[in-house]
Amino acid sequence: AAGVIQSPRHLIKEKRETATLKCYPIPRHDTVYWYQQGPGQDPQFLISFYEKMQSDKGSIPDRFSAQQFSDYHSELNMSSLELGDSALYFCASRFRTGEETQYFGPGTRLLVL
Amino acid sequence: EDQVTQSPEALRLQEGESSSLNCSYTVSGLRGLFWYRQDPGKGPEFLFTLYSAGEEKEKERLKATLTKKESFLHITAPKPEDSATYLCAVRQTGFQKLVFGTGTRLLVSP
Repeated sequence: AAGVIQSPRHLIKEKRETATLKCYPIPRHDTVYWYQQGPGQDPQFLISFYEKMQSDKGSIPDRFSAQQFSDYHSELNMSSLELGDSALYFCASRFRTGEETQYFGPGTRLLVL
Repeated sequence: EDQVTQSPEALRLQEGESSSLNCSYTVSGLRGLFWYRQDPGKGPEFLFTLYSAGEEKEKERLKATLTKKESFLHITAPKPEDSATYLCAVRQTGFQKLVFGTGTRLLVSP
């Protein structure tokens, strides 16, 4: 079965640079979620979108922004990167009117030097 | 505020030695409780969704149960390939986000 696709899988950036992470949800899924997982920590919710509209917001820094496009894919834009932004970034998707389960992608590992 | 506490933090079992992982939660208006398995550097892999107290779900060597305050993930006759971190998460009515516990690191030795 098709899964959530994330790109790139690995990303190395310098401090103060920008990064764009992409997420392609499971076909027919209309809701996308972004999570950040630091080393040895549990995933922390950043933001979610349904039908291109922001549906919930967590502890997402003001330096980060995200959007969902008409084909339901989503992009997380990160600017003025800091060392502390180094983490695994996961995207998850769900079919809004279906079951509650969020299905996670393989993640993007971001390293900020 | 939602709280999810998992215990133990780490668990070491011999192959075939059954045990249970605990997830205690405090949330007003539970929309769902979720169990995921996560291997190092990989995305959480969905295991179970439980919606109401008394519900049970089973898959291979795993069985998840739910009460009004906690959930258990029972592992029967584990194998080394069951070694992973098991994450519990809850979703509260009115919110989209999942709130995760810190996980239980399971190591099954042959």
